[in-house]
Amino acid sequence: DVKVTQSSRYLVKRTGEKVFLECVQDMDHENMFWYRQDPGLGLRLIYFSYDVKMKEKGDIPEGYSVSREKKERFSLILESASTNQTSMYLCASSPEDRAYEQYFGPGTRLTVT
Amino acid sequence: RKEVEQDPGPFNVPEGATVAFNCTYSNSASQSFFWYRQDCRKEPKLLMSVYSSGNEDGRFTAQLNRASQYISLLIRDSKLSDSATYLCVVSADSWGKLQFGAGTQVVVTP
Repeated sequence: DVKVTQSSRYLVKRTGEKVFLECVQDMDHENMFWYRQDPGLGLRLIYFSYDVKMKEKGDIPEGYSVSREKKERFSLILESASTNQTSMYLCASSPEDRAYEQYFGPGTRLTVT
Repeated sequence: RKEVEQDPGPFNVPEGATVAFNCTYSNSASQSFFWYRQDCRKEPKLLMSVYSSGNEDGRFTAQLNRASQYISLLIRDSKLSDSATYLCVVSADSWGKLQFGAGTQVVVTP
């Protein structure tokens, strides 16, 4: 069974802290994605990666960075968390030949105070 | 302006009835179209792709109108388990860069 896991379901951080969100997939997928989901705005793409050590900016990369050292793992980093980064963060992966068929993790609800 | 616009609903539907809703997209270069489904407090899951000629998957029918740049989803014989938020998704490339609508909530009542 396809599985994408995220390191935390809920996270509370203080403004200015460095935050790491981890995502692991067990499907040997080439593509991995980080989204945030906010009410009324839908899912917005932050970064994506189509190969190890490769990364591409999505629609809202400001304030975020990513790391993909291994195929199965894609990390999202908030260098200095701010209150406007309070959101639900969703990781997804997809196979190279069906990039639209994205499998999502359960999400991390991040609150920055 | 959002790239993908959806009526947020909720659409309240009696069990067994038919419900239909649309979404519009602004990027005329969009090539691929999908519906995802998201249950309350769960992650989104791919429901179906949308093809130019329209397509069915069981009780679900999707249509695409490229000229007017809208996509529709129709659910026949609604079940309680169809209650969810339906996300309209478009893509202009083959890398998997998807544009999601904010979703249409459907509530099926007994």
